[in-house]
Amino acid sequence: EAGVAQSPRYKIIEKRQSVAFWCNPISGHATLYWYQQILGQGPKLLIQFQNNGVVDDSQLPKDRFSAERLKGVDSTLKIQPAKLEDSAVYLCASSFRGVNTGELFFGEGSRLTVL
Amino acid sequence: GNSVTQMEGPVTLSEEAFLTINCTYTATGYPSLFWYVQYPGEGLQLLLKATKADDKGSNKGFEATYRKETTSFHLEKGSVQVSDSAVYFCARSVNTGNQFYFGTGTSLTVIP
Repeated sequence: EAGVAQSPRYKIIEKRQSVAFWCNPISGHATLYWYQQILGQGPKLLIQFQNNGVVDDSQLPKDRFSAERLKGVDSTLKIQPAKLEDSAVYLCASSFRGVNTGELFFGEGSRLTVL
Repeated sequence: GNSVTQMEGPVTLSEEAFLTINCTYTATGYPSLFWYVQYPGEGLQLLLKATKADDKGSNKGFEATYRKETTSFHLEKGSVQVSDSAVYFCARSVNTGNQFYFGTGTSLTVIP
């Protein structure tokens, strides 16, 4: 079974530029998550989708971050314009159903460096 | 609120030493609790889980018991190996909306 796919693995941009990350979850997983993991910290939930609807985006900085999952499958996370503090690893995860008895499957992450 | 508090690291142990990494949680309702592990250069992966009070999760020699009375889910291993060197994250989910939150992580280094 293929895992969660993310691209690109690494991205270096200058501040005020834009960047987009792509995620393809495990086939059949209805729930998709984007997390931000700053060096030395735990993953912080940015947005959670159930199929193509948003369940939780309370911690997404909506003035610069946006995410979509148009067909309920793959998803794109965009940052425009980027700030220095956006340097982090952006993790995508998916789960089959509710997480209480299930688990999240993570991709390898996309490492963003903002100069 | 809903949060997870982990013992701060880094933790350095000699091989075969006993490991405890503390984790406490605050949550409304009855969360499920998890330990995730991140080995160097790899993505996060589930280590073990417990879905209700008094459940014990176990995997690869690691154990954690869901203690409702102390709101804790401490990770333990009787004899660590060099290959256990990684960052360990405590996490919890909440029934409503299936939100999932992580602690700040504890880095473990095991030396031969």
